[in-house]
Formats: sequence, C-alpha cells, structure tokens
Amino acid sequence: ETGVTQSPTHLIKTRGQQVTLRCSSQSGHNTVSWYQQALGQGPQFIFQYYREEENGRGNFPPRFSGLQFPNYSSELNVNALELDDSALYLCASSLGGTAFTEAFFGQGTRLTVV
Amino acid sequence: GIQVEQSPPDLILQEGANSTLRCNFSDSVNNLQWFHQNPWGQLINLFYIPSGTKQNGRLSATTVATERYSLLYISSSQTTDSGVYFCAGFYNQGGKLIFGQGTELSVKP
Repeated sequence: ETGVTQSPTHLIKTRGQQVTLRCSSQSGHNTVSWYQQALGQGPQFIFQYYREEENGRGNFPPRFSGLQFPNYSSELNVNALELDDSALYLCASSLGGTAFTEAFFGQGTRLTVV
Repeated sequence: GIQVEQSPPDLILQEGANSTLRCNFSDSVNNLQWFHQNPWGQLINLFYIPSGTKQNGRLSATTVATERYSLLYISSSQTTDSGVYFCAGFYNQGGKLIFGQGTELSVKP
C-alpha cells in the first residue's frame, strides 16, 4: 500500500507567476483535500475533490483551483501568486467524499513567493 | 462557531516526564484526529478517535464526544516526541478538517 505523495517538495516562484502542485492519493482512496499552512498556524482547508469533482471549498479566492484525475491523483493550481501565498501546502487522502473517514497527509510542498 | 481549541500552546518537558494535551471542539465538529507534525512538515497520524480511548505504545488518547473534548497522553517522553501536535475534527458539512492551533512540545534531554 502506497502512502500519499506530493511533488515538488520545495518551490520558489515570483509574484504574479502561476504554480501547479501535485498529489497522489493513498491506494484505495477516492478523495483528496488540499490545505494551506502558514508559519505558526494550523492547516486551513482550501478544497476537496471526490470522484473528479470539487466537493467543498474553503475561504480561498478563485485563483486557487484544482483538478482530480481518474486515478484520483490531484493538482492544485494557484494563479497570480502573491507574497502571502508563501506557505506549506498539504494534501490529504481519504475514502468517501464527505464521509468522516480518517485522513492521511503527504509530506507537503513548501512554496516561497518572492 | 466552528472551533477547535488546543491547550497548552507550548510545553517544555524533561525527558522521561509525562504530559497531557487537550483539545476542545464545538458542536459542529466531530470525529477527532490527532497528528504529530515532524520538522519537515509532514502530519503523522497518531489517532483517529471519534470517541472512547485508544493506546499505541507510550501514547494514548481519549475523546469524550458528549463533553466536546479530547486528550492526548504522552508517557515517558523522549526527545523524538518534540514537535507540534495538532488535533483536528471534521466539520459536519463539507467533510473538511478543522485544525486547532497546535501544541508545540519540546522535550529536553
């Protein structure tokens, strides 16, 4: 059984650029959720994908968008990067959409916007 | 409101000491999980504990859902236990995890 993997692990981008982060879900899981963690804070929910459709969204602007693929892997895209987007981005894998099953996290992507 | 609150925010222990971390959660949050965030940022699952008590080695957790709190016990702490501990619960609508602000634990040799 493979765990949740994210790529890349670190990334530096310039303000105004666009970035794509990737996540492979744990084997057997059909739901991927994305979280943003600023320094010294707890993770904040961005959105969730279940069976290739967005299934819930947090308080993030539309320039944060995502995709889920038939193999349940997922991408997080952020357009028009701002300095405040600098954070650790975490992907969580679970089973069953909004069912309250245990979530497992990847190692994260640390994004720095300069 | 939707809340998950952890206490204490910081904790410093000598190696070998025991500790208790607390998580209070509001009515709209359920099915608690406890995580340990390692220095590289990964959230390591400790317990998925909607209610009752679970134990795993030196760690144990208890959730009393009717009173809206959960406790994480660390016994005979080791330096490798250092890091940030988060509790998180599922918000009833939408399946998102609501995280507390974390407890930063430092275990000194």
